[in-house]
Amino acid sequence: GAGVSQSPSNKVTEKGKDVELRCDPISGHTALYWYRQSLGQGLEFLIYFQGNSAPDKSGLPSDRFSAERTGGSVSTLTIQRTQQEDSAVYLCASSPAPNTGELFFGEGSRLTVL
Amino acid sequence: RKEVEQDPGPFNVPEGATVAFNCTYSNSASQSFFWYRQDCRKEPKLLMSVYSSGNEDGRFTAQLNRASQYISLLIRDSKLSDSATYLCVVTPASGGSYIPTFGRGTSLIVHP
Repeated sequence: GAGVSQSPSNKVTEKGKDVELRCDPISGHTALYWYRQSLGQGLEFLIYFQGNSAPDKSGLPSDRFSAERTGGSVSTLTIQRTQQEDSAVYLCASSPAPNTGELFFGEGSRLTVL
Repeated sequence: RKEVEQDPGPFNVPEGATVAFNCTYSNSASQSFFWYRQDCRKEPKLLMSVYSSGNEDGRFTAQLNRASQYISLLIRDSKLSDSATYLCVVTPASGGSYIPTFGRGTSLIVHP
């Protein structure tokens, strides 16, 4: 389809392992966001990419979290040495232009750290 | 004080009822405002933007009160399919990164 695609949809891992989550935004969308949502909680901003500008990493909770966006398209969120508190749904969203506020979300990657 | 605050509910209403949600925001320089809808275990989807003059989309009416720093969503003639969580979203003033801030959401349950 033409929507935002995320993979894997579900990931169960052991504490201390590294995980990679992938986001394929809508073609042509220049803005890309990562949020996470814990059970019963709101969306927590993680990182924002806009075109070729330096990403806004102000939401990353620790240095175990990193993200990159290659070629202005696909993005990968990496969590190193996962902890149980990292368990959440990681949502990626893209937007056709900056400052529109209209975000198109993927279905999310549900991460469970045992 | 949280940047965006919403009453979590749940609001439990019968079909056909009118229901209203409010959302307050702390940053007086906030620029743009939106309502998103999130169904259980699904991703959020844009419901409507909120304009200063107020705007309507079918059974849904959104309003902004900048002086009191709140936005509202009114749903008329509620349908069973309106059952969802409604997220208030606020964006900062221009300049710097444009990071939409989401409220925790208000849960609506419409029953027969």
